[in-house]
Amino acid sequence: QVRLQQWGAGLLKPSETLSLTCAVSGGFFTGYYWTWVRQSPGKGLEWIGAIYHDGNTKYNPSLKSRVTLSIDTYKNQFSLKLTSVAAADTAVYYCGRGRIPDWWGQGTRVTVSS
Amino acid sequence: QSVLTQPPSASATPGQRVTISCSGSSSNIGSNTVNWYQQFPGMAPKLLIHTDYQRPSGVPDRFSGSKSDTSASLAISGLQSEDEADYYCATWDDTLSGPVFGGGTKLTVL
Repeated sequence: QVRLQQWGAGLLKPSETLSLTCAVSGGFFTGYYWTWVRQSPGKGLEWIGAIYHDGNTKYNPSLKSRVTLSIDTYKNQFSLKLTSVAAADTAVYYCGRGRIPDWWGQGTRVTVSS
Repeated sequence: QSVLTQPPSASATPGQRVTISCSGSSSNIGSNTVNWYQQFPGMAPKLLIHTDYQRPSGVPDRFSGSKSDTSASLAISGLQSEDEADYYCATWDDTLSGPVFGGGTKLTVL
């Protein structure tokens, strides 16, 4: 069974950088897009971006200027960095497998507050 | 302001059948397949239906999906108390070049 385990800081101050990592086990890592989605009460589920195993990336245009995705195929891990966070970035962040995720990580609650 | 439109709530009694709708446009549902997810409070979404109507292994056949033009539906028959959860639809959007989601439907089993 595929398992995605994610981690990262959960409390940030405005203007800081959000950094999350997702480790994949129990399935193939190559041949898939690996995706980040966030969920907030105000905006529901929102796609952040996706990275292919070869490093090719796709970003939501609304976040593209602040988002960087990276991947480590040796460790079967992929990461998200979101710069200059603000209160509007407060959400639960999920990693997932596939362009539209079939398997999801457990979620990381990120709060941005001064 | 989700791209896909779902009713915010639905309810039914145990044993009944309930249907949840998901409305989109030609750039998303009209030209791509639809997934459905079940989410319990504090948990990650779980894939319930993929490719419009396909059930992953382990999902009971009480859950079924369908699609017509720019709308999709999730039906749950023989409703059980443990089906009380939030349900979301999702599909690829050709304009965004990314996935879009419905706003979610909170299902209450009366």
